[in-house]
Formats: sequence, structure tokens, C-alpha cells
Amino acid sequence: QKEVEQNSGPLSVPEGAIASLNCTYSDRGSQSFFWYRQYSGKSPELIMSIYSNGDKEDGRFTAQLNKASQYVSLLIRDSQPSDSATYLCAVWGGRGGATNKLIFGTGTLLAVQP
Amino acid sequence: ETGVTQTPRHLVMGMTNKKSLKCEQHLGHNAMYWYKQSAKKPLELMFVYNFKEQTENNSVPSRFSPECPNSSHLFLHLHTLQPEDSALYLCASSQGYRGSNGYTFGSGTRLTVV
Repeated sequence: QKEVEQNSGPLSVPEGAIASLNCTYSDRGSQSFFWYRQYSGKSPELIMSIYSNGDKEDGRFTAQLNKASQYVSLLIRDSQPSDSATYLCAVWGGRGGATNKLIFGTGTLLAVQP
Repeated sequence: ETGVTQTPRHLVMGMTNKKSLKCEQHLGHNAMYWYKQSAKKPLELMFVYNFKEQTENNSVPSRFSPECPNSSHLFLHLHTLQPEDSALYLCASSQGYRGSNGYTFGSGTRLTVV
């Protein structure tokens, strides 16, 4: 079982729609959760972090965390073509914090159609 | 500009060459990391340095040799690489070894081994 799983996509949504990106993780002791955006040929850029159950909103982005289900998601409202990128889910602090490193998923490619 | 600078941006080297990748961070962070990103694979953690001390070597072949002279600089020395080592090599830094606030990545070095 992969430590952090994401659907590789591509996820195609029309401009203006809501894009929903999902991520599951295997280590129940994980403590911090991040979403990175990576444009083709560029490095990952941190866009959201979430540490407790529930929703966290920042502009058009909403991160959702459900630790009981070991599930974290990213919603992008009013999707724009400029949101087209690969979105990486990253999880930190598994094994009760003994794992002191970020574990990344393979990423979901999002394509926003004009 | 993220505050983490990597050079060179692109590197082509033969299997018998020796080259070095450089990373410098201007964020006052005390932990630095090397990641490898290959197509269709998750980001792979290679090395972790905390206050210039290596704290993790993720079973990386000895043809990759890291060096961290201080908390702001990180090098990756390369020798006798294989074509399968061609990838994007990313440097990252974080405040606090546990990195629970996420990592800041450099722009990466695209390495091609011929």
C-alpha cells in the first residue's frame, strides 16, 4: 500500500467549475497535511496546509481533512486555466511523529478547459 | 523566487563525469533536503540535513554524495551516474527539523545522464 495515494488524472474541468482533488494516506498517526501545486517544468509550490479535522479556506482554495477516514482533499472554486497543473498531496509526521519527513503522493494532473 | 536557489538549472553529463549541484537558501531555515523527481513517481527523499548535520540517507547509491558546509548551503556531488539517474533534482528547506510547516522548494536542476 502506498503511503500517500492520489489519482494521477488527468482531471478535466470546465472553466468556472469546482475542481475536487483527493488524497488518502496510510499512517493514522500523520499530523500535518499539505497541498503543493507544480506547473510543468517547475518546482512544487506550497498552496495549502491543514492540521486539524474540518475545512480550511484560503481564497478560491479549500482544504478538507478527515483523520478518521485518513482522507484529505482540495477544492478549487471558479477554476481558471491558470490552475492547470499537477497537485501534490504531502503528509508529515506519521508513526506518531517519528517520521520526520514529508511523504508525497504522485500528484493529480488538473486540466481546466477554457 | 522562493528564497531557495539551485544551480545549474539544467545539466547534461556523461556517465564518467563528475559534477556538483548547488543549493542556497536565504530564508534562515535550519533544515535542508535533496529530493529526486522522476516521471510518474512520487518525490523521493534522498538526504536530510538539520543544522548542517546529516540526519537521513534514504538508501541513496554512493554515486550521490551530499555536502552541507552550513545551514544555508547544500551540495550534491555526482560521479559515475547511470542513465536512470536522469531526473529533476529538487532542493528544499524548512524551519525546524520536523518540517511541520511544509518545505520551500528551489526551482530544481534538470539532470540528463548520457
